[in-house]
Parts: sequence; C-alpha cells; structure tokens
Amino acid sequence: GDSVTQMEGPVTLSEEAFLTINCTYTATGYPSLFWYVQYPGEGLQLLLKATKADDKGSNKGFEATYRKETTSFHLEKGSVQVSDSAVYFCALSPYSSASKIIFGSGTRLSIRP
Amino acid sequence: SAVISQKPSRDICQRGTSLTIQCQVDSQVTMMFWYRQQPGQSLTLIATANQGSEATYESGFVIDKFPISRPNLTFSTLTVSNMSPEDSSIYLCSLLPGQGAEAFFGQGTRLTVV
Repeated sequence: GDSVTQMEGPVTLSEEAFLTINCTYTATGYPSLFWYVQYPGEGLQLLLKATKADDKGSNKGFEATYRKETTSFHLEKGSVQVSDSAVYFCALSPYSSASKIIFGSGTRLSIRP
Repeated sequence: SAVISQKPSRDICQRGTSLTIQCQVDSQVTMMFWYRQQPGQSLTLIATANQGSEATYESGFVIDKFPISRPNLTFSTLTVSNMSPEDSSIYLCSLLPGQGAEAFFGQGTRLTVV
C-alpha cells in the first residue's frame, strides 16, 4: 500500500544552518505531496505542497521538489531560525482516493540560538 | 480555506470514564476524519466520518471504543470510551476538501488518562 518514509529525528541544528529532512514515498499513480508542521502545543498546519512531478512547493523559506524518478520530496531551508523548531511531517494524498492523507513518522527539529 | 474549532483543547480524565470531543467547521464538508497522535508518534487515522452514515473505521479501531457522530455537514464528535492510560494521546479532527487538496486540522485535544 501507499506509505511515507521520513528521516528519523530528532534533529538539532544551530541557527543559520542548512536544513534537509529526507522524505520518500511509495504510491501508485501521482499522489499529491505535503509537508505539515506542528509547533509546540499547536495543531498541524500545511507548510507547503506539490501536486505533480517537478513541482516545487515553497513557504517561509522552506522548499521541497516533487521528484517522481526518486519518489522523494525532501524538505530544505537555507538558513534556519530558532522559530523553526517544531515537528515536521511529510505526507501524501493518494491519487486514487480523496479520503486519506498518509503521514510519515515526523521529524522533531530543534534550533539552537 | 476552512476553520475548524475543536474542543476541549485538553482534559485529564479518570480511567473507566468517557470523553466526547467536538469539532465544528465553518463550511459544509462531506467527509471529516479523526486522527490519534500518541506521544512522540505520527498521526494514525481512526475513522472517516460521513454525514448521514456510519463512520468507517481503520484497522485496530472499533466503534464501541470510539463512537463517532456526524449529525450534519459542519459538525462531528468523537467519544473515547472506557478510557485507560493507553488512550492518553492527542486527538485531531480533520477535513479534506477534495482529491489532491490540503487537509485542514483542528487544534487538537490533548487527553491524559490517570
């Protein structure tokens, strides 16, 4: 079945460091791909999304490119801030169904000042 | 976009009791979803709630433990019944406007069972 595999955490970086969180997926057809973020004590909110191959989603300095050839959707940011400390979830919405979003295991990111 | 109001935001409950969580949406949606997020874990789908029909439960979740109501297109409740400490989790409601669309989430209910 469809699945999402996400880089294990926790990840700790210094402020202004470069961030990569790896995400790969298994799915039939052409799923939509998402990154969600969960700040401490809050619910999930969409960070960015891509709906077809080679699309690049971007928001708040974060980027991810839908790579069908490698079935990947890695999250990157060139210079992280303390306020980026959160849990990040990679997710997919299968092409064949509008009724589910499948989440990765989540990666906890902590940024040191 | 959609706004989902979920309550309560947190609760501490005695084992053996039940808690009902409510979600109100500011627009009409066909399907709503209930997720569980155990401490330090990802989100696990409990069930899909369709208006006017019984909820569809995922493997490992049963109606007797997690009864769901969906009386109209803007409201749903999830009850966690006969609670035990293992039910301590964050419970989230969600909606998905359509295929390929982003999901919207309530703020979550942080449940602690003692």
